[in-house]
Amino acid sequence: AQSVTQPDIHITVSEGASLELRCNYSYGATPYLFWYVQSPGQGLQLLLKYFSGDTLVQGIKGFEAEFKRSQSSFNLRKPSVHWSDAAEYFCAVGGRGSTLGRLYFGRGTQLTVWP
Amino acid sequence: DADVTQTPRNRITKTGKRIMLECSQTKGHDRMYWYRQDPGLGLRLIYYSFDVKDINKGEISDGYSVSRQAQAKFSLSLESAIPNQTALYFCATSEASMGTDTQYFGPGTRLTVL
Repeated sequence: AQSVTQPDIHITVSEGASLELRCNYSYGATPYLFWYVQSPGQGLQLLLKYFSGDTLVQGIKGFEAEFKRSQSSFNLRKPSVHWSDAAEYFCAVGGRGSTLGRLYFGRGTQLTVWP
Repeated sequence: DADVTQTPRNRITKTGKRIMLECSQTKGHDRMYWYRQDPGLGLRLIYYSFDVKDINKGEISDGYSVSRQAQAKFSLSLESAIPNQTALYFCATSEASMGTDTQYFGPGTRLTVL
């Protein structure tokens, strides 16, 4: 069965520091992978997605993520965090074929940014 | 104007009441979804619809029903609301193309059942 694990419930970093949010997935084949961000009181905004090809994916707001098949991971990174990046981040895995369109979300990682 | 809108944005109701949450989209997408979000649990799929005549149950459909009135409208109903249905509800849309699928979310409806 498909599942997503985000091991870190809450991360705190200082503004300007680098960031890595972890995501591990379970899926029987090559999945589609997504990162979404949710700012307080807002809906979910797509940061980036991986479907195929280059395993290093660039997204909006200076974020990137790397798909590592051998580790079943899709970690999100940013070299220098801004205070406005404080939000909750969700990793999601989507199916192909008969399960195309179904998304399975992790439980989220809350990011706090210290000034 | 927002591509995916949800009404109401906030709702407080009492146990046993029937509630309808509405979702409209101007993206022209065929596929629509309803999720609920609970703190610490992420988003879980309630129902999804790949076109007007297609309705499918998600992970947690018990206690909910849906109606796809048109391509652009997808409503979620709680026939008899209970307190553990207090949550943040999201509608999403997508359009499968080239074998891929990306979902776009509405702003959410915060529902409180007393």
